[in-house]
Amino acid sequence: IAGITQAPTSQILAAGRRMTLRCTQDMRHNAMYWYRQDLGLGLRLIHYSNTAGTTGKGEVPDGYSVSRANTDDFPLTLASAVPSQTSVYFCASSHGENTGELFFGEGSRLTVL
Amino acid sequence: GQNIDQPTEMTATEGAIVQINCTYQTSGFNGLFWYQQHAGEAPTFLSYNVLDGLEEKGRFSSFLSRSKGYSYLLLKELQMKDSASYLCAVSDSNYQLIWGAGTKLIIKP
Repeated sequence: IAGITQAPTSQILAAGRRMTLRCTQDMRHNAMYWYRQDLGLGLRLIHYSNTAGTTGKGEVPDGYSVSRANTDDFPLTLASAVPSQTSVYFCASSHGENTGELFFGEGSRLTVL
Repeated sequence: GQNIDQPTEMTATEGAIVQINCTYQTSGFNGLFWYQQHAGEAPTFLSYNVLDGLEEKGRFSSFLSRSKGYSYLLLKELQMKDSASYLCAVSDSNYQLIWGAGTKLIIKP
């Protein structure tokens, strides 16, 4: 089934540890995004990539990094996790960079203790 | 700053009609989007408005007034499976999506 796959689904992590959330899509979409979703707040963009080989910072990029080595994969790395990074993380993709019709993965629930 | 406002929670009865409002203040406008998100699941795209007026798609309709910075999502013939959060998002002048916090819709039998 075509779509976006995220891993892990859920993770508990000690503060200070490094963590990479994986995201893979098989729709050949050029644009990909990482969002975090926190209770009472709208989705907030962390990083995005309009095409393979390029990335950009979103609204809340501090403490996170991404890479886009190919079209399909867009991993998000927390170099040294802090409790404020406890959240649900969604990876998304779109056909083009200037469209709001996004396709989301199922989310990764991350708890930093 | 940029801001999207929508009610936190609404309750409606199965079979009835409900209207979820969204007001926005953004730097530029390149379209307004509605998404549905069931608890514990990913958001899924519902509708897109870029011109004023009503867009109908089955039981769901979405309305836009750009001059008023206002949109609503209308759900008819409510079903229990419509219990979800409904997210309003606006594409700004840079085509970045600005998201509201979502409206949790509770459907009662």
